[in-house]
Amino acid sequence: RKEVEQDPGPFNVPEGATVAFNCTYSNSASQSFFWYRQDCRKEPKLLMSVYSSGNEDGRFTAQLNRASQYISLLIRDSKLSDSATYLCVVNADTNAGKSTFGDGTTLTVKP
Amino acid sequence: ETGVTQSPTHLIKTRGQQVTLRCSSQSGHNTVSWYQQALGQGPQFIFQYYREEENGRGNFPPRFSGLQFPNYSSELNVNALELDDSALYLCASSLDRGLISPLHFGNGTRLTVT
Repeated sequence: RKEVEQDPGPFNVPEGATVAFNCTYSNSASQSFFWYRQDCRKEPKLLMSVYSSGNEDGRFTAQLNRASQYISLLIRDSKLSDSATYLCVVNADTNAGKSTFGDGTTLTVKP
Repeated sequence: ETGVTQSPTHLIKTRGQQVTLRCSSQSGHNTVSWYQQALGQGPQFIFQYYREEENGRGNFPPRFSGLQFPNYSSELNVNALELDDSALYLCASSLDRGLISPLHFGNGTRLTVT
């Protein structure tokens, strides 16, 4: 079983739709969490950190559920420019230096 | 603020050869991590350097080695290249050893081994 698992998708949604991605992790000692966005053949870029109480950044909302060991990303009012692969990242103090990435969820927003 | 830069952007090598990839960290960052990303997969952790010392290593064989220099720039060396080493190699810098502050990636080196 992978340490961090994501539904690979693809998710194909129309503009304006709301879409949600989940990411589960296996290490209960995990302490920090992030969502990254990766465009085709480009490097990952930080989208947002995920805080214990949940956090919002414009159309994006991230939540953490420690009991069930998953994080989620909600995108409201999808834009064409949101089309990308979304990677969740989990850090644990027990994994010195290592950020563990999921394999990503691919989103395509269509007109 | 200068971001993370990597060189070269593309590289073609033959099986058995050796390669060196380079990375300059973002200004103010003292930690550099290297990742390998195969097509359709997430980045896989190779190793991390903090203040010129290795601070953690993933499941990669010893033919993957690295260095960090006093200015925090870094190199990734791969010996005896294999076909499966073909991938995007990403360097990321961070403010600390990665637990709290996020990673900032360079645009990667795409390595093809034939």
